[in-house]
Amino acid sequence: GENVEQHPSTLSVQEGDSAVIKCTYSDSASNYFPWYKQELGKGPQLIIDIRSNVGEKKDQRIAVTLNKTAKHFSLHITETQPEDSAVYFCATQITSGSRLTFGEGTQLTVNP
Amino acid sequence: GAVVSQHPSWVICKSGTSVKIECRSLDFQATTMFWYRQFPKQSLMLMATSNEGSKATYEQGVEKDKFLINHASLTLSTLTVTSAHPEDSSFYICSANSDYEQYFGPGTRLTVT
Repeated sequence: GENVEQHPSTLSVQEGDSAVIKCTYSDSASNYFPWYKQELGKGPQLIIDIRSNVGEKKDQRIAVTLNKTAKHFSLHITETQPEDSAVYFCATQITSGSRLTFGEGTQLTVNP
Repeated sequence: GAVVSQHPSWVICKSGTSVKIECRSLDFQATTMFWYRQFPKQSLMLMATSNEGSKATYEQGVEKDKFLINHASLTLSTLTVTSAHPEDSSFYICSANSDYEQYFGPGTRLTVT
């Protein structure tokens, strides 16, 4: 089955700096790659996603890049703010409506 | 945007009792919903896939007789934890598919005393 590895497990940055979280996956059939933000005691919130026919997608301060050949994708957050502090999960999906396979999560802390 | 709700947000029950958690897609129809369990500082663990009008598909190691799932309509799935024990205490989260995207509920904190 699919295996998703996420790094780093913890990341601490200063406010205004950039943060990058990377994920690698094993199943070349995966074609949908969402990123979720989870705040303490809450459910995961979809923040950005990318499909396999696209190499990069950007939404304001957040961007995701995908390298299908190398089977890895990354989340980039620029101009970080304290409210960006949360756990971030990457995930993969093979077909629409099917299960997601999650990475282990990254605890991002943005220090004021 | 797509919104998924869960009820209750938290519940405390005594060992041996049953607890029902509801998951609703508020502004879209979901033929498939998922139930997850999450322990502190860990990732989400898929428990089962719930399909409207059919039996749920459980992940390996998840007791289907203990975690009863019903998906009676395109907007509602329920998870019933039967004969709860303290080790069932956890954060339970549901999600629903809207096309490719999967949206999550706010979670239910279950504490079994």
